[in-house]
Amino acid sequence: GESVGLHLPTLSVQEGDNSIINCAYSNSASDYFIWYKQESGKGPQFIIDIRSNMDKRQGQRVTVLLNKTVKHLSLQIAATQPGDSAVYFCAQEAEKLTFGTGTRLTIIP
Amino acid sequence: SQTIHQWPATLVQPVGSPLSLECTVEGTSNPNLYWYRQAAGRGLQLLFYSVGIGQISSEVPQNLSASRPQDRQFILSSKKLLLSDSGFYLCAWSVGTGVLEPQHFGDGTRLSIL
Repeated sequence: GESVGLHLPTLSVQEGDNSIINCAYSNSASDYFIWYKQESGKGPQFIIDIRSNMDKRQGQRVTVLLNKTVKHLSLQIAATQPGDSAVYFCAQEAEKLTFGTGTRLTIIP
Repeated sequence: SQTIHQWPATLVQPVGSPLSLECTVEGTSNPNLYWYRQAAGRGLQLLFYSVGIGQISSEVPQNLSASRPQDRQFILSSKKLLLSDSGFYLCAWSVGTGVLEPQHFGDGTRLSIL
């Protein structure tokens, strides 16, 4: 079946540094990928998405990279801030949306 | 702009009691609606989804049911709760089928079964 996994369950980053969160997926038929941010006690919040016909997409302070050859997705956060502390999920859409288990990002002041 | 509301935010129920969680969406018409459960430290498990009024698809056989009595209202129910029903329940909506758009989530209900 489909699976989406993250390489690291936790990641600690110095405030002001860049963060890179990785995700591997199994379904090569997926045509849409999404990154979500979930703060404690809240629902996942949409950050950025990318379609399979692209390999890079940029938003405000965030960049998503898609490597379909190795089925790998990453989220880069520039100049990490304390407010970026959260759990980050990747999700892939084929017939339905499948979520990874998340990476907890902790910012070191 | 579109908003999604879930209530209650937290709920403590005894084993064997009924359940009703409600979700409403504002600012859009004919959305796809979803119920997920999130176990601690795990990803989201899709429970039910609906593409229209009265249309419910179940992803996982279980003790729960869902209903969509109105276009922007989605209800998660149980007649008799089990201990294993404890968890964080999330409602989400998305633009209609065939469009690659993200799902948008409410802030969830933390359900504890005693």
